[in-house]
Amino acid sequence: AQSVAQPEDQVNVAEGNPLTVKCTYSVSGNPYLFWYVQYPNRGLQFLLKYITGDNLVKGSYGFEAEFNKSQTSFHLKKPSALVSDSALYFCAVRDQNSGGYQKVTFGTGTKLQVIP
Amino acid sequence: GAGVSQSPSNKVTEKGKDVELRCDPISGHTALYWYRQRLGQGLEFLIYFQGNSAPDKSGLPSDRFSAERTGESVSTLTIQRTQQEDSAVYLCASRPGQGLSEKLFFGSGTQLSVL
Repeated sequence: AQSVAQPEDQVNVAEGNPLTVKCTYSVSGNPYLFWYVQYPNRGLQFLLKYITGDNLVKGSYGFEAEFNKSQTSFHLKKPSALVSDSALYFCAVRDQNSGGYQKVTFGTGTKLQVIP
Repeated sequence: GAGVSQSPSNKVTEKGKDVELRCDPISGHTALYWYRQRLGQGLEFLIYFQGNSAPDKSGLPSDRFSAERTGESVSTLTIQRTQQEDSAVYLCASRPGQGLSEKLFFGSGTQLSVL
């Protein structure tokens, strides 16, 4: 079975400071990893993905994430937070070796609050 | 349309009634997912369709829940004899399909309130 853990329900960070939102995963094979963002009263939007290759993945709005196979982590980062980054962030995983089983499992979400 | 469309956007129903939620995926997307998001909680997988293959129903919480999809078009999620704990936002997502983009495109969801 595949799973995702987001250990922090909420992360608070001052505007201009770097931010990190944590994610760890579990799959039997190699993972596809994703981050999605949900702004208030809006649908989920794709931020970035890791499929293969470079462990540092760059995505939308200046976000990036680092795949760490040994720690089974895929933490989301941004060098300088903006108030407009305040939203709910979801990490997701799919097993690359699942064949026809293509369920995408999401974490419970982390609320990011950027304080002016 | 350009995106995933869900209807209705809001549905209020009485306990015990049946409801039907609709999802129109992006044209050409063979994969379609339903998720449930309870207030303040994460996304709970319900069901996955891939083309004409048998769907993955492993996330359906009870036999009151069912979903259908004809080919690669519209999907409907039906909840029979609704209960108050069914109140949630039901999200639909689609993607091009196996071997293609892994990115999911989400609809705006249906907010279901069971009184």
